[in-house]
Amino acid sequence: GAVVSQHPSRVICKSGTSVKIECRSLDFQATTMFWYRQFPKQSLMLMATSNEGSKATYEQGVEKDKFLINHASLTLSTLTVTSAHPEDSSFYICSASGGQDQPQHFGDGTRLSIL
Amino acid sequence: DAKTTQPPSMDCAEGRAANLPCNHSTISGNEYVYWYRQIHSQGPQYIIHGLKNNETNEMASLIITEDRKSSTLILPHATLRDTAVYYCIVRSWSGGSNYKLTFGKGTLLTVNP
Repeated sequence: GAVVSQHPSRVICKSGTSVKIECRSLDFQATTMFWYRQFPKQSLMLMATSNEGSKATYEQGVEKDKFLINHASLTLSTLTVTSAHPEDSSFYICSASGGQDQPQHFGDGTRLSIL
Repeated sequence: DAKTTQPPSMDCAEGRAANLPCNHSTISGNEYVYWYRQIHSQGPQYIIHGLKNNETNEMASLIITEDRKSSTLILPHATLRDTAVYYCIVRSWSGGSNYKLTFGKGTLLTVNP
């Protein structure tokens, strides 16, 4: 149980393109979803927290207009990287939790490469 | 956020128990200790969590000291597939009803044949 699916697993696109990443909880309802970013040889950095039906809460230094998060249902959250540039190339990982007393379960990540 | 300290790397022989230590001396009374692991190029995998009592599941055991300032994750019979970066995290409150996990650098556990 507690499976989180992330799609796509890898994206390569040109600079200036907007990219959408989907995160789905397959077998539980996720009241809260989280988006992380991981650069090579570094640890995961939390970007934002989103509760279903509410606006996402962004961590300090994360541009909310660049990283658009939508959490419209209890099983789906999306992250859109708008007008992506090479410096946005990274490993983006989502996680989902079924409640405060439930652990976060992570997707397998999306490797984004901007040329 | 309560900070955790872990050794950067450890080695373990296949079939032996792996004991991964973690210090969290600034932990608050209602903060949980979580353990995750990350195999290269994958998302982190949840292992176990606890508050005060020792915990055990099918993957591992978590031993928390009485003063809660440190804990040890035990993999009873390590296999080569247990080679990964192991993260010890104190879950902290982030406002409203939300909690967050702050990942440190973790411990790279290498299981050797």
